[in-house]
Parts: sequence; structure tokens; C-alpha cells
Amino acid sequence: DAGVIQSPRHEVTEMGQEVTLRCKPISGHNSLFWYRQTMMRGLELLIYFNNNVPIDDSGMPEDRFSAKMPNASFSTLKIQPSEPRDSAVYFCASRNRRANTEAFFGQGTRLTVV
Amino acid sequence: DAKTTQPTSMDCAEGRAANLPCNHSTISGNEYVYWYRQIHSQGPQYIIHGLKNNETNEMASLIITEDRKSSTLILPHATLRDTAVYYCIVRPHSGGGADGLTFGKGTHLIIQP
Repeated sequence: DAGVIQSPRHEVTEMGQEVTLRCKPISGHNSLFWYRQTMMRGLELLIYFNNNVPIDDSGMPEDRFSAKMPNASFSTLKIQPSEPRDSAVYFCASRNRRANTEAFFGQGTRLTVV
Repeated sequence: DAKTTQPTSMDCAEGRAANLPCNHSTISGNEYVYWYRQIHSQGPQYIIHGLKNNETNEMASLIITEDRKSSTLILPHATLRDTAVYYCIVRPHSGGGADGLTFGKGTHLIIQP
């Protein structure tokens, strides 16, 4: 199994531009999570999905952030418009909620907004 | 509100056992203790979890006190590759209404050669 796959690994964009981060969860996993990590705030849960349905988006910082999961094998996190304070490492994780497995994390996307 | 308390950093000599403490004095009866670690520039990695009995797997051992108010993660023979930030997390095993993990600041474990 290739694990949770995130793309791109690194993204540099200018303030005001739209940014889309992508995640492919582990096959068979039915829960997907988006986290953000910064030096100041550590690892924060942004949103999670169960069976492709968003369950809790209370961690999404503001309306500029949106996440979708159109099918069981793909999710996106979009920031529009991006701001320098959005610079962080964004992690996607998945787990098999039915089998109660632990969460497996991707390698993350390092986003820099200049 | 912090549910766990861990030392900010610890050192351990290579080849020795690394013992990482965690206080969780407000743990509820249905909450498990989970340990994850994050090696530099990588995503967090699951290590082990337990409810009240001691647990062991190929990576580590987890010792939970009888009153469940604290626990210790033990890496029996630490190597340089174990240098990482170790997170202790308490949460219900089945997730329920809070499936996501709440990470604190963790312990930065440095294995010295």
C-alpha cells in the first residue's frame, strides 16, 4: 500500500492566488482528515469526513478555506484567496473507521504564500 | 484545554531505553491513551495505544498507572532514528463525535550518539 498520498509536496504562491491541495487516502479507509501545522499553533484539525461527508469543519479558520471529498479516493483543500498567514504544512490523514484502525498521515504539503 | 501534559524535551543515549512520561489526570473512563510521533519533515506516525493494561508492540511499550492518571511510553533500545516529537493523546477509542486527534506540543526526544 502506498499510504496516504498528498500533492504537491511543496507549493509557493503569491498572496491572493487560489491554492488547491490534494489528498488520496488509503484504499478502504472511510474517514479522512485535514490538519495544519505551524510553529505557533502546532498541529490543528481543520476538517474531517466520514464516508465522503463532512462531519466537523469547526477547525476551518475562515471562509477562504473549503474542503471537498467528491469520492472515497480523493479530497481537496482549497484556499481562495491565499494570504501569507496561511503558510504552513498541511497534512491529510485517513483511517478505517469501521475497523477502528489508527490514523495514517501523508507526508504533507508545505505551503508558502508570499 | 490541555488534556495531557508532557515534558518539552528529553535526551537519551543511543542504545538505552527512552522513557517518555505523560500526565492525563482528567482522563475519562472511556478514553484511551494514544501515542504518535513526528520525525522531522514527516507526517505523524502512530506508535501504540491502551486503555488500562500495559501494551507492547514492535515499536514500543506503554505503561499506564493503575489510576490511569499517567502513562509512560518506553522505547526499549533507542536509535538515532527515534529522534522525533512524541505526542500523548487521550480520546475515546471509537471516536464518536470527536474522530480527529487533538495534538498538544509533545516531547522532543533527542537521541544522543
